Amino acid sequence: GEDVEQSLFLSVREGDSSVINCTYTDSSSTYLYWYKQEPGAGLQLLTYIFSNMDMKQDQRLTVLLNKKDKHLSLRIADTQTGDSAIYFCAEIPPTSGTYKYIFGTGTRLKVLA
Amino acid sequence: DVKVTQSSRYLVKRTGEKVFLECVQDMDHENMFWYRQDPGLGLRLIYFSYDVKMKEKGDIPEGYSVSREKKERFSLILESASTNQTSMYLCASSSPSGSPHEQYFGPGTRLTVT
Repeated sequence: GEDVEQSLFLSVREGDSSVINCTYTDSSSTYLYWYKQEPGAGLQLLTYIFSNMDMKQDQRLTVLLNKKDKHLSLRIADTQTGDSAIYFCAEIPPTSGTYKYIFGTGTRLKVLA
Repeated sequence: DVKVTQSSRYLVKRTGEKVFLECVQDMDHENMFWYRQDPGLGLRLIYFSYDVKMKEKGDIPEGYSVSREKKERFSLILESASTNQTSMYLCASSSPSGSPHEQYFGPGTRLTVT
């Protein structure tokens, strides 16, 4: 299909781990991205993974990529209230040209104190 | 730091008005994009431009037009605003060279059409 799919909401307690999942569309996408949108702001690149990798770790963030299932996940360890935001999964399929992204619907993460 | 600015954070317009949303970036990026963001629908691409005076339709161009007369500025025009164009509008820019093709976003304009 043409849609990048994410669940709309996730709620976790402060200090727990959060896992945000995404199913993307094109197994030949070179890069897959996670963008974060804080309240009242635009999107900001949080992390990305190159398609020849299975996993990428960056401090509290772990990205897992399953190309066979076209599944991408973002794990946030020790989730803090400042992590409350909307998280967007995105890809640039080779067919889209000119580096046009396809964004997911976004997952709103709420961290409870 | 890359900066993408948008002319207004909030706008309220009446049905039928012509509306201009302006976006300026300071990183000499070739690519610029206009998206609208609606709850449950994520970001949908309206138009993008890969060079001055060059534009391509995105996924939802109906009811919109764009203008790019200078490299740093990309304008979105609602020819005759309608209530279904009430939304958050986000501008972004990127460079076609260099990985990972990050897009840099402005803070958004929340447009209400009454």
